[in-house]
Amino acid sequence: DTQIIQSPSSLSASVGDRVTITCRASQTISIYLNWFQQKPGKAPKLLIYTASSLQSGVPSRFSGSGSGTDFTLTISSLQPEDFAIYYCQQSYSTPYTFGQGTKLEIK
Amino acid sequence: QVQLVESGGGVVQPGRSLRLSCAVSGFSVGTYTMHWVRQAPGKGLEWVTLMSIDGSAKYYADSVKGRFTISRDISRNTLYLQLNSLTVDDTALYYCARGEMPTIDVEFDYWGQGTLVTVSS
Repeated sequence: DTQIIQSPSSLSASVGDRVTITCRASQTISIYLNWFQQKPGKAPKLLIYTASSLQSGVPSRFSGSGSGTDFTLTISSLQPEDFAIYYCQQSYSTPYTFGQGTKLEIK
Repeated sequence: QVQLVESGGGVVQPGRSLRLSCAVSGFSVGTYTMHWVRQAPGKGLEWVTLMSIDGSAKYYADSVKGRFTISRDISRNTLYLQLNSLTVDDTALYYCARGEMPTIDVEFDYWGQGTLVTVSS
């Protein structure tokens, strides 16, 4: 199984900050890495698919990069509605493992 | 308008069974891969199972293999998850999610609101 290590597990930042979250896969997953945002009491929301493709309707301040084993989610200028938990997930091979999550909190 | 609505959750004793449903509208469950994902209270997301577009292939997380079964009824446009031999570790909010279709790499773009399964004696 492919293990996904996501870091950091938590992050404090201010509105307007640029933040980066990383995921590392235990083996190559090509570009098959998704990023999700989850707010309390809500289902996850797809932000980025295939490492760098922005899902329809997602603001352009969200971007993804990487291939192989190392991936990054960047939020260029944090907005108040961005404080949430973020998960990465590999969809290269089953089981489709998720990272442990990053809780993004207001500083 | 795409919508996924899960149902069937509840409180069940260890060792018992439950069947979850995911009623879909806005697309056919026969034209996309379909997934179940779960989330234990206060924990992260865990992928559970996947059904292929033609229904011939089903994949499971090791934690549920041999106990859970994914199925669908195309005429009812509904996805199911049969949960057998439940343990307390299966307590979670269960989500269904849309997968991919041929030539389109995006998946997990639509999710239901989840149905809560609580395994307790």
